[in-house]
Amino acid sequence: EAGVAQSPRYKIIEKRQSVAFWCNPISGHATLYWYQQILGQGPKLLIQFQNNGVVDDSQLPKDRFSAERLKGVDSTLKIQPAKLEDSAVYLCASSIGQGAKAFFGQGTRLTVV
Amino acid sequence: DAKTTQPTSMDCAEGRAANLPCNHSTISGNEYVYWYRQIHSQGPQYIIHGLKNNETNEMASLIITEDRKSSTLILPHATLRDTAVYYCIVRVANNAGNMLTFGGGTRLMVKP
Repeated sequence: EAGVAQSPRYKIIEKRQSVAFWCNPISGHATLYWYQQILGQGPKLLIQFQNNGVVDDSQLPKDRFSAERLKGVDSTLKIQPAKLEDSAVYLCASSIGQGAKAFFGQGTRLTVV
Repeated sequence: DAKTTQPTSMDCAEGRAANLPCNHSTISGNEYVYWYRQIHSQGPQYIIHGLKNNETNEMASLIITEDRKSSTLILPHATLRDTAVYYCIVRVANNAGNMLTFGGGTRLMVKP
């Protein structure tokens, strides 16, 4: 079965620019997660969707980050404007339901210079 | 989610069993123990989970103490490919608003 697909794999941008990441979850998975992983740390949950509704976005910096999951399938995460401290790997994961085991994509490595 | 405590790092000789401990002293009765691992440059990978009873699958065994305040993940015959960061997480299964929250994990180094 196909896994969680993310693109791009790598992205380098200058500070104050904007960037968007795309995630295609495993077919039929209702729950979708976005994580930020800074080098040397565990993944930090940014936002969790159940179908196309937001379950939790308490750790999403809403002044610059936004995420949507139209039609309850694919999702995009946007940063505008980017800061140097946003340099990290952005991971997308999906699960068949809340509480079920999650499957992760390979992530997008963002470097802000 | 209840917090977990894991050692920052561990070493294991190739071919030997790797025993990774996790403390979760504030775990609630309906919270499961999950283990994930993250190999360098990859996303985390689910390993195993359990509630009270010990569990075993093709990857590992999970031993949960009777009081459920701690658990041990066992890789019976560690290989070099098991070198990774291992995360112990406690969470309620199948519950609305249930987050999957990672801590710092244990960095396991399997040495030849």
